Amino acid sequence: AQSVTQPDIHITVSEGASLELRCNYSYGATPYLFWYVQSPGQGLQLLLKYFSGDTLVQGIKGFEAEFKRSQSSFNLRKPSVHWSDAAEYFCAVGGNTGNQFYFGTGTSLTVIP
Amino acid sequence: DSGVTQTPKHLITATGQRVTLRCSPRSGDLSVYWYQQSLDQGLQFLIQYYNGEERAKGNILERFSAQQFPDLHSELNLSSLELGDSALYFCASSAYGTGADTQYFGPGTRLTVL
Repeated sequence: AQSVTQPDIHITVSEGASLELRCNYSYGATPYLFWYVQSPGQGLQLLLKYFSGDTLVQGIKGFEAEFKRSQSSFNLRKPSVHWSDAAEYFCAVGGNTGNQFYFGTGTSLTVIP
Repeated sequence: DSGVTQTPKHLITATGQRVTLRCSPRSGDLSVYWYQQSLDQGLQFLIQYYNGEERAKGNILERFSAQQFPDLHSELNLSSLELGDSALYFCASSAYGTGADTQYFGPGTRLTVL
């Protein structure tokens, strides 16, 4: 069965520091992978997605993610975090068989000055 | 702004009552999804519609039902409400409703059951 695991419930980083949010997935075929961000009181906004091709994907707001099939991972990175990046981040997986979309439990990011 | 609208923004009601949440998808999108987000359960997929037909079902309680109308807007009906139903309910839409599609989320409806 498909599933997504985000091992880190909460992460705190200093402004300007680098960031990596972990995501591991379980899926029988080639997955479609997504990262969404949710600011407080807001809906979810797509940061980036991976379907195929280049395993390093660039997204909005300076985020990138790398698909590693051998590790079943799709970690999100940002070289220098801004205070406005404080939010909840969700990794999700969808597939070309079946129509359900699976979200991880989310990682809450706090940015300290 | 994702282009997905949800009404109402907030809803406060009592246990045992019934409420209806409404969602209008982005222009051109044929598929609508409903999610429930609560502190203890995280983001849970409830149900998906595509062009008026139910396409996938997730962790939706029997007390909950949904439909998608010919104009593609969708309604989520929650009945016999319990305290535990208090949550943020999101609607999302996508073009074709496949796993590869990007889902665009509305701002959510916050339901409080007292």
